[in-house]
Amino acid sequence: SQKIEQNSEALNIQEGKTATLTCNYTNYSPAYLQWYRQDPGRGPVFLLLIRENEKEKRKERLKVTFDTTLKQSLFHITASQPADSATYLCALGNDYKLSFGAGTTVTVRA
Amino acid sequence: DAGITQSPRHKVTETGTPVTLRCHQTENHRYMYWYRQDPGHGLRLIHYSYGVKDTDKGEVSDGYSVSRSKTEDFLLTLESATSSQTSVYFCAIRVSVDTGELFFGEGSRLTVL
Repeated sequence: SQKIEQNSEALNIQEGKTATLTCNYTNYSPAYLQWYRQDPGRGPVFLLLIRENEKEKRKERLKVTFDTTLKQSLFHITASQPADSATYLCALGNDYKLSFGAGTTVTVRA
Repeated sequence: DAGITQSPRHKVTETGTPVTLRCHQTENHRYMYWYRQDPGHGLRLIHYSYGVKDTDKGEVSDGYSVSRSKTEDFLLTLESATSSQTSVYFCAIRVSVDTGELFFGEGSRLTVL
Protein backbone atom coordinates (compact mmCIF):
# COMPACT_ATOMS: atom_id res chain seq x y z
CA SER A 1 0.00 0.00 0.00
CA GLN A 2 1.08 3.56 -0.51
CA LYS A 3 2.99 5.27 2.23
CA ILE A 4 3.85 8.93 2.82
CA GLU A 5 6.49 9.80 5.40
CA GLN A 6 7.51 13.19 6.64
CA ASN A 7 10.99 13.18 8.04
CA SER A 8 10.42 14.11 11.62
CA GLU A 9 7.63 15.06 13.93
CA ALA A 10 9.25 18.27 15.12
CA LEU A 11 11.81 20.75 13.91
CA ASN A 12 13.16 23.58 16.07
CA ILE A 13 15.11 26.34 14.40
CA GLN A 14 16.42 29.82 15.10
CA GLU A 15 14.74 32.80 13.55
CA GLY A 16 16.37 33.76 10.26
CA LYS A 17 17.55 30.24 9.47
CA THR A 18 16.18 27.97 6.76
CA ALA A 19 13.86 25.15 7.73
CA THR A 20 13.98 22.10 5.47
CA LEU A 21 11.22 19.50 5.63
CA THR A 22 11.19 16.18 3.81
CA CYS A 23 8.34 14.20 2.34
CA ASN A 24 9.06 10.70 1.07
CA TYR A 25 6.59 8.33 -0.52
CA THR A 26 6.45 4.72 -1.67
CA ASN A 27 4.12 2.64 -3.82
CA TYR A 28 2.67 5.75 -5.38
CA SER A 29 3.07 7.71 -8.60
CA PRO A 30 1.45 11.07 -7.89
CA ALA A 31 0.58 13.52 -10.61
CA TYR A 32 1.19 16.37 -8.20
CA LEU A 33 2.29 17.16 -4.69
CA GLN A 34 0.99 19.87 -2.41
CA TRP A 35 2.08 21.41 0.87
CA TYR A 36 -0.31 22.68 3.52
CA ARG A 37 0.13 24.59 6.74
CA GLN A 38 -1.93 23.75 9.82
CA ASP A 39 -2.16 25.83 12.96
CA PRO A 40 -3.38 24.30 16.26
CA GLY A 41 -7.13 23.82 16.30
CA ARG A 42 -7.53 24.90 12.68
CA GLY A 43 -7.95 23.20 9.33
CA PRO A 44 -5.02 22.88 6.93
CA VAL A 45 -4.37 25.76 4.54
CA PHE A 46 -2.99 25.25 1.04
CA LEU A 47 0.47 26.69 0.36
CA LEU A 48 2.00 25.31 -2.82
CA LEU A 49 1.49 22.85 -5.63
CA ILE A 50 4.22 21.19 -7.68
CA ARG A 51 3.47 18.85 -10.56
CA GLU A 52 5.33 15.67 -11.49
CA ASN A 53 7.03 17.33 -14.45
CA GLU A 54 8.29 20.27 -12.38
CA LYS A 55 11.52 20.26 -10.40
CA GLU A 56 11.12 23.36 -8.26
CA LYS A 57 8.52 25.93 -7.27
CA ARG A 58 8.87 29.12 -5.25
CA LYS A 59 6.42 31.35 -3.48
CA GLU A 60 7.79 34.23 -1.46
CA ARG A 61 10.02 32.61 1.20
CA LEU A 62 8.89 29.09 0.37
CA LYS A 63 10.61 26.71 -2.01
CA VAL A 64 9.51 23.20 -2.94
CA THR A 65 11.39 20.59 -4.93
CA PHE A 66 10.00 17.37 -6.34
CA ASP A 67 12.16 14.42 -7.35
CA THR A 68 10.03 11.63 -8.80
CA THR A 69 13.07 9.35 -9.12
CA LEU A 70 13.91 9.60 -5.43
CA LYS A 71 10.17 9.80 -4.61
CA GLN A 72 10.86 12.80 -2.45
CA SER A 73 9.85 16.41 -1.98
CA LEU A 74 11.78 18.99 0.01
CA PHE A 75 10.04 22.03 1.48
CA HIS A 76 12.17 25.00 2.48
CA ILE A 77 11.20 28.03 4.54
CA THR A 78 13.92 30.63 4.15
CA ALA A 79 14.55 33.52 6.55
CA SER A 80 12.21 31.83 9.00
CA GLN A 81 10.11 33.86 11.43
CA PRO A 82 8.28 32.93 14.63
CA ALA A 83 5.03 33.36 12.66
CA ASP A 84 6.11 30.38 10.52
CA SER A 85 5.67 28.10 13.54
CA ALA A 86 3.04 25.55 12.55
CA THR A 87 2.62 21.98 11.33
CA TYR A 88 3.32 21.43 7.66
CA LEU A 89 1.67 18.61 5.74
CA CYS A 90 2.60 17.19 2.39
CA ALA A 91 -0.12 15.70 0.22
CA LEU A 92 0.10 13.60 -2.91
CA GLY A 93 -2.60 13.46 -5.50
CA ASN A 94 -3.90 11.94 -8.66
CA ASP A 95 -7.05 13.31 -10.23
CA TYR A 96 -9.29 14.40 -7.39
CA LYS A 97 -8.00 12.50 -4.34
CA LEU A 98 -5.29 13.62 -1.96
CA SER A 99 -3.35 11.49 0.52
CA PHE A 100 -1.59 13.25 3.37
CA GLY A 101 1.51 12.70 5.42
CA ALA A 102 1.38 12.98 9.20
CA GLY A 103 3.05 16.38 9.20
CA THR A 104 6.14 18.04 10.64
CA THR A 105 5.78 20.62 13.41
CA VAL A 106 8.10 23.57 13.00
CA THR A 107 8.95 25.89 15.89
CA VAL A 108 10.90 29.03 15.09
CA ARG A 109 12.66 30.59 18.09
CA ALA A 110 13.08 34.34 18.24
CA ASP B 1 -14.17 33.27 -1.20
CA ALA B 2 -15.01 29.69 -0.42
CA GLY B 3 -16.67 29.07 2.90
CA ILE B 4 -17.33 25.89 4.85
CA THR B 5 -19.37 25.47 7.99
CA GLN B 6 -19.03 22.27 9.96
CA SER B 7 -21.50 21.34 12.65
CA PRO B 8 -21.34 20.48 15.41
CA ARG B 9 -17.86 21.73 16.21
CA HIS B 10 -17.66 19.63 19.34
CA LYS B 11 -19.61 16.55 20.36
CA VAL B 12 -19.34 13.99 23.13
CA THR B 13 -21.37 10.85 22.71
CA GLU B 14 -21.55 7.31 23.99
CA THR B 15 -20.58 4.09 22.28
CA GLY B 16 -23.36 2.69 20.14
CA THR B 17 -25.16 5.95 19.45
CA PRO B 18 -25.60 7.35 15.94
CA VAL B 19 -23.83 10.58 15.07
CA THR B 20 -24.17 12.84 12.05
CA LEU B 21 -21.70 15.55 11.15
CA ARG B 22 -22.69 18.19 8.67
CA CYS B 23 -20.61 20.10 6.17
CA HIS B 24 -22.11 23.07 4.40
CA GLN B 25 -20.39 25.02 1.63
CA THR B 26 -21.44 28.47 0.47
CA GLU B 27 -20.47 27.91 -3.16
CA ASN B 28 -21.14 25.16 -5.69
CA HIS B 29 -17.95 23.18 -5.69
CA ARG B 30 -18.41 19.72 -7.09
CA TYR B 31 -15.96 17.76 -4.95
CA MET B 32 -16.38 17.45 -1.20
CA TYR B 33 -14.39 15.32 1.22
CA TRP B 34 -14.45 14.01 4.76
CA TYR B 35 -11.11 13.35 6.48
CA ARG B 36 -10.30 12.32 10.00
CA GLN B 37 -7.12 13.43 11.74
CA ASP B 38 -5.45 11.48 14.52
CA PRO B 39 -2.02 11.91 16.11
CA GLY B 40 0.62 10.05 14.17
CA HIS B 41 -1.69 9.29 11.25
CA GLY B 42 -2.21 12.62 9.65
CA LEU B 43 -5.33 13.18 7.59
CA ARG B 44 -7.03 10.07 6.28
CA LEU B 45 -9.78 10.16 3.69
CA ILE B 46 -13.08 8.63 4.82
CA HIS B 47 -15.44 9.35 1.92
CA TYR B 48 -15.72 11.86 -0.85
CA SER B 49 -18.37 13.11 -3.22
CA TYR B 50 -18.13 14.19 -6.84
CA GLY B 51 -21.68 15.42 -7.19
CA VAL B 52 -25.20 15.16 -5.82
CA LYS B 53 -25.84 11.56 -4.87
CA ASP B 54 -22.39 10.59 -6.16
CA THR B 55 -20.08 9.38 -3.43
CA ASP B 56 -17.20 6.96 -3.03
CA LYS B 57 -15.12 5.40 -0.30
CA GLY B 58 -11.77 6.56 0.93
CA GLU B 59 -9.10 4.61 2.78
CA VAL B 60 -10.89 4.43 6.17
CA SER B 61 -14.57 4.18 5.27
CA ASP B 62 -15.58 1.25 7.51
CA GLY B 63 -18.18 2.35 10.06
CA TYR B 64 -19.05 5.52 8.17
CA SER B 65 -21.64 6.46 5.59
CA VAL B 66 -22.23 9.70 3.71
CA SER B 67 -24.98 11.42 1.83
CA ARG B 68 -25.16 14.37 -0.50
CA SER B 69 -28.68 15.35 -1.44
CA LYS B 70 -27.77 18.95 -2.29
CA THR B 71 -24.61 20.42 -3.79
CA GLU B 72 -23.92 22.48 -0.70
CA ASP B 73 -24.34 19.80 1.97
CA PHE B 74 -22.28 16.69 2.67
CA LEU B 75 -23.24 14.60 5.69
CA LEU B 76 -21.07 12.07 7.48
CA THR B 77 -22.87 9.50 9.61
CA LEU B 78 -21.53 7.10 12.17
CA GLU B 79 -24.34 4.57 12.47
CA SER B 80 -23.09 3.20 15.80
CA ALA B 81 -20.19 5.16 17.21
CA THR B 82 -17.19 3.37 18.67
CA SER B 83 -14.32 4.69 20.78
CA SER B 84 -11.96 4.21 17.82
CA GLN B 85 -13.94 6.89 15.99
CA THR B 86 -12.90 9.52 18.53
CA SER B 87 -11.12 11.98 16.30
CA VAL B 88 -11.16 15.38 14.67
CA TYR B 89 -13.15 15.34 11.45
CA PHE B 90 -12.44 17.78 8.66
CA CYS B 91 -14.60 18.56 5.69
CA ALA B 92 -12.93 19.94 2.58
CA ILE B 93 -13.94 21.21 -0.82
CA ARG B 94 -11.90 21.18 -3.98
CA VAL B 95 -11.73 24.84 -4.93
CA SER B 96 -9.43 24.61 -7.93
CA VAL B 97 -9.69 22.13 -10.75
CA ASP B 98 -6.27 23.25 -11.98
CA THR B 99 -4.28 22.87 -8.76
CA GLY B 100 -6.46 20.41 -6.90
CA GLU B 101 -6.32 22.75 -3.93
CA LEU B 102 -8.49 21.73 -1.01
CA PHE B 103 -10.13 24.27 1.29
CA PHE B 104 -10.80 22.87 4.74
CA GLY B 105 -13.38 23.60 7.37
CA GLU B 106 -12.49 24.26 10.99
CA GLY B 107 -13.05 20.68 12.06
CA SER B 108 -15.47 18.79 14.29
CA ARG B 109 -14.04 17.22 17.41
CA LEU B 110 -15.88 14.02 18.30
CA THR B 111 -15.36 12.10 21.51
CA VAL B 112 -16.94 8.68 21.88
CA LEU B 113 -17.00 7.44 25.47
